[in-house]
This record gives sequence, structure tokens and C-alpha cells, in this order.
Amino acid sequence: EIVLTQSPATLSVSPGERATLSCRASQSVGTNLAWYQHKPGQAPRLLIFGSSTRATDIPARFSGSGSGTEFTLTISSLQSEDFAVYYCQHYNNWPPGTFGQGTKVDIK
Amino acid sequence: HVQLVQSGAEVKKPGASVKVSCKASGYTFTSSYMHWLRQAPGQGLEWMGIINPSGGTYYAQRFQGRVTMTRDMSTGTVYMDLTSLRSEDTAVYYCARGEDYFDYWGQGTLITVSS
Repeated sequence: EIVLTQSPATLSVSPGERATLSCRASQSVGTNLAWYQHKPGQAPRLLIFGSSTRATDIPARFSGSGSGTEFTLTISSLQSEDFAVYYCQHYNNWPPGTFGQGTKVDIK
Repeated sequence: HVQLVQSGAEVKKPGASVKVSCKASGYTFTSSYMHWLRQAPGQGLEWMGIINPSGGTYYAQRFQGRVTMTRDMSTGTVYMDLTSLRSEDTAVYYCARGEDYFDYWGQGTLITVSS
């Protein structure tokens, strides 16, 4: 079973600053990785799939990169609506539902 | 536009069963995969299982024997039935569309298991 480890657990960032979130896989998942944003009381929202492809209507300030075992989600300039928990998920094998434990981005 | 609308919150006693619905609209229901996931208080996202376009199902090992996923093609609704509920099943349950990753999600259904 492939394990995803996200770091840091919590990231404190000021509005307008850059946030860099990491997701590490215990073995290669190629580019079969997605990122989600989850706010309290809301459904998770798909941000990125295929490691770097933005989903529909996702702002350009969100970008994903990486392949193999190391992945990064970057938020170039944090807006107030970006404070949330972010999860990575791989779909390199079946079943596709393995998530990291999440990174909480909160206001510094 | 794509919408997944789930049934409302429920409170159940230990040992009972619950059936959560997820009504889809805005896309071709018959060609899509639908997953069920959950999030317990203070925990991350946990995948429970999938129903494919042919109606076939695959469940996470820890839920096998307790979960059943079905669909009603006439109404475009998917159901998740969880039996033998225990306090650890208290969580928000989500349906989510997609084969590999999840591009649309329902709003979530809070299931509370308490005596």
C-alpha cells in the first residue's frame, strides 16, 4: 500500500505570502496525484490533477508540481479564502482513494 | 452544471443501519463512477468504496460486509448503506464523482451514532 505523507501539518502564512505544501509518496506514483482544498462545513474541492493540471475554475495562483515520490502544491499569493486544509491523493493503483493526512494553512 | 445533492443529517443508535443518498444532475449519470468517502471528527478523508458505470462495486476492506452501494438509474441517485453502526462511524459522509480522482463532491451528510 502506498502511503502519502504531507508536510508540514500546519502552515502559518500571512495574506499575500507564498505557501508551499509538500506531499511525499512511499513509492512512485508517477504523476497520478491530485490536490484538494477542504474548508469546514464544505465539500472538498479538486484543485489539481495529474500532478500539475489545474481543475476547472481554479485560480492560477494554485500550481502543482512533481513526479515519482515528491510533490508540491504552491499558492503564490495567499488570499483570505485560501485558508483551509489541503489534501493530496494518489491514483496510481486501485483503489484510488489514498489520501495524505492533510496540511492546514492558517493565518499567521 | 454538475451537482451532487445528498440527503440530510441523521442520528442513529449503535447497531442500527443508515442509508445515505446522493442525487446527481448536470452530466451523464450512466457513464460515471461514484465514490463514497467519509471524514470522522478531527480526522482526514477516508475512502469507502466505488460503484462503476456498470453497477459493479468495490469496497475498502475495512467496510466489507457492512457497506452496500447501489444506484437508481431512473432517478440518477446513488445510495450508500452502512450497517451495524458504532460510535466510530460518526462522520460526515461524502459522495464524489470520478474514476481516479474526484472532480465533484456532494455537500456531505453528517451521521451521528449515539445511544
